[in-house]
Amino acid sequence: DQQVKQNSPSLSVQEGRISILNCDYTNSMFDYFLWYKKYPAEGPTFLISISSIKDKNEDGRFTVFLNKSAKHLSLHIVPSQPGDSAVYFCAATGNTGGFKTIFGAGTRLFVKA
Amino acid sequence: DAGVTQSPTHLIKTRGQQVTLRCSPKSGHDTVSWYQQALGQGPQFIFQYYEEEERQRGNFPDRFSGHQFPNYSSELNVNALLLGDSALYLCASSSPTEMNTEAFFGQGTRLTVV
Repeated sequence: DQQVKQNSPSLSVQEGRISILNCDYTNSMFDYFLWYKKYPAEGPTFLISISSIKDKNEDGRFTVFLNKSAKHLSLHIVPSQPGDSAVYFCAATGNTGGFKTIFGAGTRLFVKA
Repeated sequence: DAGVTQSPTHLIKTRGQQVTLRCSPKSGHDTVSWYQQALGQGPQFIFQYYEEEERQRGNFPDRFSGHQFPNYSSELNVNALLLGDSALYLCASSSPTEMNTEAFFGQGTRLTVV
């Protein structure tokens, strides 16, 4: 039961351009969404989040957009930098009979110099 | 301020054996969650501990059990290990007073079952 889906296993972008990572969810009880970044041999680190009462949240080069009607969110990175190369996980949580956080399978981003 | 720490970092066990993984949460956090991350997949929720009790559980068999101590540290125990239990086990801590908040992860324990 994949409640959070990241359909693109990988994405390659040129340095300086925009990276757009997508995520879809199925459970309408989710009301808080997060993006995590993971480098090899490290645990995931929190990047940015958005509450369901908003449709956009921005933090520096990172912006997350939420479309509740489509149950879709996206992470935009502008401009992309080689250091952004990592695996990005979309995650969702809410009062779904508990507050466990559900993760997508991840998208590996390659930013080419 | 120490973040989430996990031990050991790597472990090799034989099929059928039992293993215990340990986690110390970030200072100020009293909720600990455990995740299993298989190769090429996202972290899968195992269970969450708060006030020394299992508060939620994911779709994992009873071979997976845990414990939380009064100092909020936690253990994950896996009995009768199977080859399929080979994965990265992640511990994450958070504060329950803020339900919608990010969790902080440790670096993980890489378990290999042979």
